[in-house]
Amino acid sequence: EVQLLESGGGLVQPGGSLRVSCAASGFTFSSYAINWVRQAPGKGLEWVSAISGGGTSVYYADSVKGRFTISRDNSKNTVFLQMNSLRAEDTAVYYCARDLYASGSYYGVLDYWGQGNLVTVSS
Amino acid sequence: EIVMTQSPATLSVSPGERATLSCRTSQRVGSNLAWYQQTVGHGPRLLIYGASTRATGIPARFSGSGSGTEFTLTIDSLQSEDFAVYYCQQYNNWPYTFGQGTKLEIK
Repeated sequence: EVQLLESGGGLVQPGGSLRVSCAASGFTFSSYAINWVRQAPGKGLEWVSAISGGGTSVYYADSVKGRFTISRDNSKNTVFLQMNSLRAEDTAVYYCARDLYASGSYYGVLDYWGQGNLVTVSS
Repeated sequence: EIVMTQSPATLSVSPGERATLSCRTSQRVGSNLAWYQQTVGHGPRLLIYGASTRATGIPARFSGSGSGTEFTLTIDSLQSEDFAVYYCQQYNNWPYTFGQGTKLEIK
């Protein structure tokens, strides 16, 4: 069974840093691109970042470029999102989601999602 | 960035009836469009990709159509578990973008 489990969220002050993790199981992890998608309270979905299966290619939304860094450790079946210079508008539930195809590259369809992890940026 | 516009924002339909949800993109995306369902407190669930291909395990009452810039999600014979929020997403261009969602509520 495919499972994605986010962790590491919490309360952080504006300007601070936080790292959220996504632990995967039930599939050949290194064969799939992984994405982060966030949802502000009461709002819609916003794609944040993606990393290829091998970790050699990454993409970011303009809203987080230069502040967030996505990475992965295929030996631990885990993807990370390092978030620096956090702002109030980064407050959201952060989901990790798997790309549909086991190509290692990107397709863009997100077939399995985690349960989400809340990040709150507030003083 | 491709802007996604979903309509209506809220749709009230009776159980057993048909619901039709629309999604428009600001640029042509071919058939690179997906639909997701989200219920309260849960992560999204993939319903449709390639504009019309049902994901694994999705009931046949869900169908998608369209190409280019106009897309439709149709849900026949609405069941109680179908009342949720629905999002469209384009994956033709970076960054991937989502519509603002359509809330399907019980009439």
